[in-house]
Order: sequence, then structure tokens, then C-alpha cells
Amino acid sequence: GDSVTQMEGPVTLSEEAFLTINCTYTATGYPSLFWYVQYPGEGLQLLLKATKADDKGSNKGFEATYRKETTSFHLEKGSVQVSDSAVYFCALTSGNTPLVFGKGTRLSVIA
Amino acid sequence: EAGVAQSPRYKIIEKRQSVAFWCNPISGHATLYWYQQILGQGPKLLIQFQNNGVVDDSQLPKDRFSAERLKGVDSTLKIQPAKLEDSAVYLCASSWDGLNTEAFFGQGTRLTVV
Repeated sequence: GDSVTQMEGPVTLSEEAFLTINCTYTATGYPSLFWYVQYPGEGLQLLLKATKADDKGSNKGFEATYRKETTSFHLEKGSVQVSDSAVYFCALTSGNTPLVFGKGTRLSVIA
Repeated sequence: EAGVAQSPRYKIIEKRQSVAFWCNPISGHATLYWYQQILGQGPKLLIQFQNNGVVDDSQLPKDRFSAERLKGVDSTLKIQPAKLEDSAVYLCASSWDGLNTEAFFGQGTRLTVV
């Protein structure tokens, strides 16, 4: 079945550092790919998405590119802030299948 | 636009007791999902509804969990009897039609079974 593998956390960075969170996937067909973010005590919020190969999703300074050849969708941000501290989930859906999530990566940004 | 509403936010029960969670999806969304999120893990699908019909309940522990969406809008998830390992956050989500689209999540219900 479909699956998502993302890098283990936690990740701790200093403010203004560069962020990369790796995500690779296995899927039949042509999935849509997503990054969700979960701030402490809150539900999941969609951060960005890409629906076909070579698409780049972006939002709030984060971006990720749908790479079909490497089955990857790595999340990047050039300069993180303390307010970016959260848990980040990579996810996919194919056709009418429900979202399949990775295990999540906890990011802590220190001032 | 109102988001996905869930209640209660928190619930503490003893093992073997029963509990119910309620979800009101975004207006017009045909697809509704219930996910279980155990601490430190990603959300795991319990059940997916399309309108008031079940699309996927293959991972729902049917001996103790049940869910319904009678009029194709609100949904209720019930656990009876609860076990210690049911302690988790229960997330409700909805989407327009469930076809390669994102889902919108509620804030979740944190269940603690003692």
C-alpha cells in the first residue's frame, strides 16, 4: 500500500538557520503530496501541497518540490523562526484514498 | 468559513467505560474522516465516509469502535469498552470529495484512559 517515510526528529535549529526535512513516498498511480503542520495543542493545518511531478508548493517561506524520479517531497525553509517550532507531517493521497501520513518530525527553533 | 468542529476537546475515562466524540465537518464537504493519533506518531485512519456511506473502515477495531454519519453531515465516533491503549488524540477531518484533495482537520479530542 501507499506509505510515507520522513526523517526522524527531533530537529533543533537556531533562529535564521536553514531547514530541510526529508520525505520520500511509495504509491501506486500519481499521488498528490502534502505537508501539514501541527502547533502545540492544535489540530493539523495544511502548510503546502503539490499535485503533479515538478510542481513546487510554497507557503509562509516553506517550499517543497514534487520529485517523481526520486519519489521525494522534501520540505525546506531558508531562515526559520521560533514561531516555526511545531511537528511537521508529510502526507499523500491517490485517487479517492484517504491521506496517509508519515510519523512526523518535531522541529524546535531556539533564539 | 467555519472549520471542522469537534467536541469535547478533552476526555478522561476509566478503562471499560464508554465514550463518544462528535464532529461537524465544513459545510458542503462530502467526505469525512476519523483518524487516531497516538503520541509521537502520525495520524492513522480509522474510518472514511462519503456522504452517509462508509468507504473504508478496514482499520477500525469493530469489536469496540463504531462510527456513524446518519444524515451525511455530523458524525459520531464511539468506543465501548475503552482500553488503556485507546489513549490518543482523535482527529476528524473533511474534504470536498475525497479525490486527490487536501483534508481540513479539527482540533481533535484528547482521550486519556486510566
